[in-house]
Order: sequence, then structure tokens, then C-alpha cells
Amino acid sequence: LAKTTQPISMDSYEGQEVNITCSHNNIATNDYITWYQQFPSQGPRFIIQGYKTKVTNEVASLFIPADRKSSTLSLPRVSLSDTAVYYCLVDDSNYQLIWGAGTKLIIKP
Amino acid sequence: NAGVTQTPKFRILKIGQSMTLQCAQDMNHNYMYWYRQDPGMGLKLIYYSVGAGITDKGEVPNGYNVSRSTTEDFPLRLELAAPSQTSVYFCASSYNTPQGYNEQFFGPGTRLTVL
Repeated sequence: LAKTTQPISMDSYEGQEVNITCSHNNIATNDYITWYQQFPSQGPRFIIQGYKTKVTNEVASLFIPADRKSSTLSLPRVSLSDTAVYYCLVDDSNYQLIWGAGTKLIIKP
Repeated sequence: NAGVTQTPKFRILKIGQSMTLQCAQDMNHNYMYWYRQDPGMGLKLIYYSVGAGITDKGEVPNGYNVSRSTTEDFPLRLELAAPSQTSVYFCASSYNTPQGYNEQFFGPGTRLTVL
């Protein structure tokens, strides 16, 4: 079974770039790596998804090395409203969804 | 579009009682999911469905049952509630292709307490 590992928590300051890395072994060869954001008392919300190399959208970038054993979510110029829990999601070679335990990101003024 | 809706928002059950958590989506998604999230923890997949009439177990299915008679609805049934089922339950849906799992849309959650 695949397993994911994320830092439990991180903190940073407004205006900084934040990088959160998720390690994942034994993931399905051809499937996506996805990141979600969750605020208290809400369901997770999709941030970004990628298969390999680099993907960028209006809120984040996702870096995936060639071996796909990790991925890094990059949040540029964070603000207080980016304080949340961030999850990586992969599916393993048996097509089972595997969620990371989440990284609690705290942004300070 | 309402997206994914869940009812009720809150519920308190006594040990041994049963209940059904309702979930509906209006996005014509083929996949639907039920998760539980214990305080301070990540999400655990309970059951999922790839289409009407097809369901499969996730990581933590014991104590739960599901059905999917229509594309829109995916109720979760708790039989003989136990304190260990105290959690927040999220329903989600997505439109997946053979290439993989796409973005999941989540409902607002149901907070369940079993006393």
C-alpha cells in the first residue's frame, strides 16, 4: 500500500513563499497527485493537481520530480487567509485513495 | 448548482441507534465518496461509488453501509451506532476518467456524536 508523509505543521509570515512537501511511495504510475486546502468546519477544497514536472495555476504551483516519490506544493506570497490545513492525495497501484495526514500551516502577520 | 449537499448538519445519537446521512450532488458526477474525519486528523475513506448501482469499500467500512440507486444520491447508513463513530462525515463527488481521479467537490459535512 502507498503511504504519504507530510510535516505536521509549518509557520511563515505574510508575503513569504511557502513550500510544503509530501513524500509518497508506491503510487500508481499514471495517476495524479492532488493537493487540497481545508479550513476549520469546512470540507476540503481542491488547490492543484499534477502528474509530473511542474503545474501552475492562479493560486499555487506543484512540483513533481521524475521519480514521483514526492511532490511540493508552493504557495507564493502567502497571506493570513492561507492559514489552513493542506493535504496531499495520491492513489496507489491498487487505485486506493491515500490522503496525507495534513500539514497545518499558520501564517503570521 | 447547489454542488454537494449533506443533511443533517449535526446529530446526536445514543449507542445502538441507527441513522442515515444523506448526500446529493447535482453536477452529474460519476464518482461519489464518504469520508470520516476525527478531530485533528486526516480523512479516511469509508465507501465510494463509481456509478449508480456500484459501490465499494474504502479504508474504514466497518459499521457502515451505502447504496447508490441514482447518480445524484449516495446515502450512508450507520447501524448500531458506537462512540467510536463520533466524527465529522464528509460526502464528496468527482467526475473521473480512466486517466485517474479528478477534483473532488466536498459537502459541508455532518457532525455526529454518539453518546
